[in-house]
Amino acid sequence: AQKVTQAQTEISVVEKEDVTLDCVYETRDTTYYLFWYKQPPSGELVFLIRRNSFDEQNEISGRYSWNFQKSTSSFNFTITASQVVDSAVYFCALSEAEVSQGAQKLVFGQGTRLTINP
Amino acid sequence: DTGVSQDPRHKITKRGQNVTFRCDPISEHNRLYWYRQTLGQGPEFLTYFQNEAQLEKSRLLSDRFSAERPKGSFSTLEIQRTEQGDSAMYLCASSLSARTYGYTFGSGTRLTVV
Repeated sequence: AQKVTQAQTEISVVEKEDVTLDCVYETRDTTYYLFWYKQPPSGELVFLIRRNSFDEQNEISGRYSWNFQKSTSSFNFTITASQVVDSAVYFCALSEAEVSQGAQKLVFGQGTRLTINP
Repeated sequence: DTGVSQDPRHKITKRGQNVTFRCDPISEHNRLYWYRQTLGQGPEFLTYFQNEAQLEKSRLLSDRFSAERPKGSFSTLEIQRTEQGDSAMYLCASSLSARTYGYTFGSGTRLTVV
C-alpha cells in the first residue's frame, strides 16, 4: 500500500527565513510520481511540482526547491526567503505511474500548515 | 478555460437529508476525480471517471454515495441520508489522461451536517 507521511503538522517562521517541509513516502511500485500541492485559505489545491521516480535531479523554481532522495524515500520542499504569501497548508502526494485506464489516484500526506509571520 | 468549478461552495444540511454537488471540469479533460477532505487531513480519493465511465470507487464511498458523469462533461456527487460524519470538504479534480502534470482541483464544496 502507498503511504505519505508529513511529520511536521505546523511550522511557524519569521518572514525571510528559509523553511523546509519534510515528506517521506512508502510504495512498492518501482515507477511512481511525487507531487507537492499548496492549499491557501480559499481551499483550492494549487499544483506546485510533479517528479517521476526515475528523475532524482533536484529542482529549483524561484524561491522554491525540491530535494528527491530515493535512498531515503523522501521528497522535501524548501522555501527560501519566505514571504507572508507563502502561508498555507502544503501537501505532499504520491501516485502510481500513469496507466491507460488506471485511476492514478493521489495518496496525500496529512499536510503541513506553514505560517510566515511578518 | 475557467478551471474546475464546483457548486455550491458551502452547504449546510440537516442529518438525514440528501445533498447533491456539481463539478464542471476543464472542458478538454477526460478524467474527473472526487476527493473528500476532513479537517486537518489530506484529501482522500473517492471515485474516478474516464469520460462517462466510472472506473474506480474507493471503499470510502458507501452505498449512500453515488456519482455520475452522464455525458462525460460535468459530474454530480449525491449523498443520501446524510450523517454528521459526512461533514467535510468535497473536492473535484480533472486531468488529461495523456498529460498528467498533476490534476487541476476545484475550490471544493464544504458540507456541514447538523
